[in-house]
Amino acid sequence: DIVLTQSPASLDVPLGETATITCKSRQSLLYSSNNKNFLAWYQQRPGQPPKLLIYWASTRDSGVPDRFSGRGSGTDFTLTITSLAAEDVAVYFCQQYLDHPPTFGGGTKVQIK
Amino acid sequence: QIQLYQSGSEVRKPGASVKISCKTSGHTFSTSEIRWNWLRQAPGQGPEWMGWISAYNGEKSYGQDFKDRLSLTTDTSTKTVFMDLRGLTPDDTAVYYCARQNSDFYKGRFFDFWGQGTLLSVSS
Repeated sequence: DIVLTQSPASLDVPLGETATITCKSRQSLLYSSNNKNFLAWYQQRPGQPPKLLIYWASTRDSGVPDRFSGRGSGTDFTLTITSLAAEDVAVYFCQQYLDHPPTFGGGTKVQIK
Repeated sequence: QIQLYQSGSEVRKPGASVKISCKTSGHTFSTSEIRWNWLRQAPGQGPEWMGWISAYNGEKSYGQDFKDRLSLTTDTSTKTVFMDLRGLTPDDTAVYYCARQNSDFYKGRFFDFWGQGTLLSVSS
């Protein structure tokens, strides 16, 4: 199984500032045939199911604010939240869908400082 | 819009079985393009994939840790997916989610719609 390691485990960020989360994969998630990275990001607010934010490492899902952005390729990826809002308090997970079974990172908890 | 609605919380004793339902709406249920997945999430951990089923042809795939005690079924008349887990232990205590996934590798097999979750507690 592909192991995804997220860091940090938790993050305290002032309102309006930027949060950056890292996800590292032990194997490359870049598929050469279509030159795409098979990585997604999810947001999970307290008591809610995960919500898809980003797929193909950098494509925002419909309705996701543009303050959320994903970058990276191969084994190293980041999720950046600019102008942090109170509603962004959540746990964020990365997930690979290149290989079977699909696997998730351990999560990063973002809180307001 | 697409919605997945799961059955309510369950409490079981070790060794028992549980069946959780996921009623879907707002989309085509029995299409070759979609797989219906079940994942679970223990407190403080990331989701863990358990298995998927196609309502189109009944094809299934189960995770290695669940092969011997997980059964996924569908009812196309009610657009509902069912998860049956047997031989429960306290380690099965978690929130269980159904989630939709595209079946096409090149379109991306991420999970775009999720149920609200069902809490399963296993304790003697």
